[in-house]
Amino acid sequence: EVQLLDSGGGLVQPGGSLRLSCAASGFTFSSYAMSWVRQAPGKGLEWVSLISGAGGSTYYADSVKGRFTISRDNSKNMLFLQMNSLSAEDTALYYCAKSRHGLLSDAFDMWGQGTMVTVSS
Amino acid sequence: EIVLTQSPGTLSLSPGERATLSCRASQSVSSIYLAWYQQKPGQAPRLLIYGASSRATGIPERFSGSGSGTDFTLTISRLEPEDFAVYYCQQYGSSWTFGQGTKVDIK
Repeated sequence: EVQLLDSGGGLVQPGGSLRLSCAASGFTFSSYAMSWVRQAPGKGLEWVSLISGAGGSTYYADSVKGRFTISRDNSKNMLFLQMNSLSAEDTALYYCAKSRHGLLSDAFDMWGQGTMVTVSS
Repeated sequence: EIVLTQSPGTLSLSPGERATLSCRASQSVSSIYLAWYQQKPGQAPRLLIYGASSRATGIPERFSGSGSGTDFTLTISRLEPEDFAVYYCQQYGSSWTFGQGTKVDIK
């Protein structure tokens, strides 16, 4: 069974940092691009970042570029999001998501349950 | 950045009725790069349609997608009680962006 388990969320002060993790199982992790998508409370979905299967290509939304870093450890089937210089606007439920096939340009066919990040003093 | 605008914001319908949801792009999107998702309260989104018209695994036939260029449509032929949810379109041909969502609620 394909499964994604998000973790690492919590309460952090403005300007602080947090590292999110996503544990993948049930598929050949290294063959698929992976993304982070966030959803602010009561709002819609916002794509945050994507990394290719091998990890050599990364992409970011303008809203997080220069502050967030996506990475993966294919030996451990893990996806990460390092978030620095956090502000209240980053408060959201963060989902990891798997691309449907091995392509970068693809829909997201599996999602984690989400991990909540709250930025507040 | 390609902006996706969904309409209407809320669609109030009864079970058994037909739902038609619209997604308009600010510039042309190749149809192979357009998807639709369903999200219920407290749940992660679920992929319904990819490539504008292909149903994802396990998605019932009452869900169908169509469109090309800048105008795309998700149709639910006969609403079931479990279909009342929020629906998002997404383009993944030029970066990745989502529409703001359409809520389908019970009339």
